[in-house]
Amino acid sequence: DAGITQSPRHKVTETGTPVTLRCHQTENHRYMYWYRQDPGHGLRLIHYSYGVKDTDKGEVSDGYSVSRSKTEDFLLTLESATSSQTSVYFCAISEGSVTNYGYTFGSGTRLTVV
Amino acid sequence: AQSVTQPDIHITVSEGASLELRCNYSYGATPYLFWYVQSPGQGLQLLLKYFSGDTLVQGIKGFEAEFKRSQSSFNLRKPSVHWSDAAEYFCASTTSGTYKYIFGTGTRLKVLA
Repeated sequence: DAGITQSPRHKVTETGTPVTLRCHQTENHRYMYWYRQDPGHGLRLIHYSYGVKDTDKGEVSDGYSVSRSKTEDFLLTLESATSSQTSVYFCAISEGSVTNYGYTFGSGTRLTVV
Repeated sequence: AQSVTQPDIHITVSEGASLELRCNYSYGATPYLFWYVQSPGQGLQLLLKYFSGDTLVQGIKGFEAEFKRSQSSFNLRKPSVHWSDAAEYFCASTTSGTYKYIFGTGTRLKVLA
């Protein structure tokens, strides 16, 4: 494997609680991404990072925040979880521009908000 | 706006039969196109990519894809499907110098023994 791990793999949480998902890489790649996967929607970008402390919003960023204090870690936080955030969350990393390098994906975190 | 369409949500083929999964893109310039595969409970794995040049590209696991500008398509093919090919397949596009993909909604492949 390319050295990208997501934790936890599964989580059930209650509506209104904060949740943090972790993505850890050992590849020293500059770019990291958070996607959510939902039936009928494919993968949609939540946030991405192009360096330590450098992040930007994707197409479905409302209700989510991210932080990257170290190259290897990219955290996704749901400030107050809602049922609409029940999804499978994937982290991805890229050495550079995706046109040259593509993505390497983690195995995903299945989040259920009850 | 850039978009990727996968018209088939589900496809079922018999083992040993040929396979074609459709992907259409919408973008003014030449896009960069990719196919990814996702096995159950796993992340996505890159099958192949097209940047420029030869319009027929070869990928891993015996897959190939052909870029047809006139049809705005990048269809994935395999001459003989194996049971282990059962998975979900995603087409994606991006443009030069960017760091983000646009993904299609996926096609789930079922293989009959």
